[in-house]
Amino acid sequence: AQSVTQPDIHITVSEGASLELRCNYSYGATPYLFWYVQSPGQGLQLLLKYFSGDTLVQGIKGFEAEFKRSQSSFNLRKPSVHWSDAAEYFCAVGGLTGGGNKLTFGTGTQLKVEL
Amino acid sequence: GAVVSQHPSRVICKSGTSVKIECRSLDFQATTMFWYRQFPKKSLMLMATSNEGSKATYEQGVEKDKFLINHASLTLSTLTVTSAHPEDSSFYICSASHGASGNTIYFGEGSWLTVV
Repeated sequence: AQSVTQPDIHITVSEGASLELRCNYSYGATPYLFWYVQSPGQGLQLLLKYFSGDTLVQGIKGFEAEFKRSQSSFNLRKPSVHWSDAAEYFCAVGGLTGGGNKLTFGTGTQLKVEL
Repeated sequence: GAVVSQHPSRVICKSGTSVKIECRSLDFQATTMFWYRQFPKKSLMLMATSNEGSKATYEQGVEKDKFLINHASLTLSTLTVTSAHPEDSSFYICSASHGASGNTIYFGEGSWLTVV
């Protein structure tokens, strides 16, 4: 069974500082990996995804993530955090079933940005 | 680009009544859609896989008689919460995959259900 672990429930960083959100996954084959962001009361926005190829993936809003098979990790990074990045971040692993891709989400990391 | 739309975005219903949430793929056909549930300040949990023209596949612990899923067309899946109770209050969100490999995933905007 696929699973995702986000070990950090809350992270606080200062605006302008670098950020790394951790994600570890368990999946039987080559995983499809995703990072989503959710603002309070809102739906999900895809930041980036990895399916194959280059293990360093660039996403929107200046985010990137690196797939490391040996560590079963897909950590999200941003060189300089902005106050508007404060939100809940979810890592997810996907599995193809039927005609679709169902996701297993991590428990999320709440990011707080101090000005 | 492809969009998945959910309706209603917010709904309040009385205990014991039923409420239907729609998930539509607006410009692509989706043979498979997924329904997730998110409790306040919690992660999203897959409830069921909605299959066009056949029965939905429910995850363990999800009551199929309470959460009725109908996928009658390639662009519409509905989730009906029957005999709703306050503990059913939650954020429900659907997704659909696009593309030959199903690896482009679109989420609906989500639906907030409050049962009073």
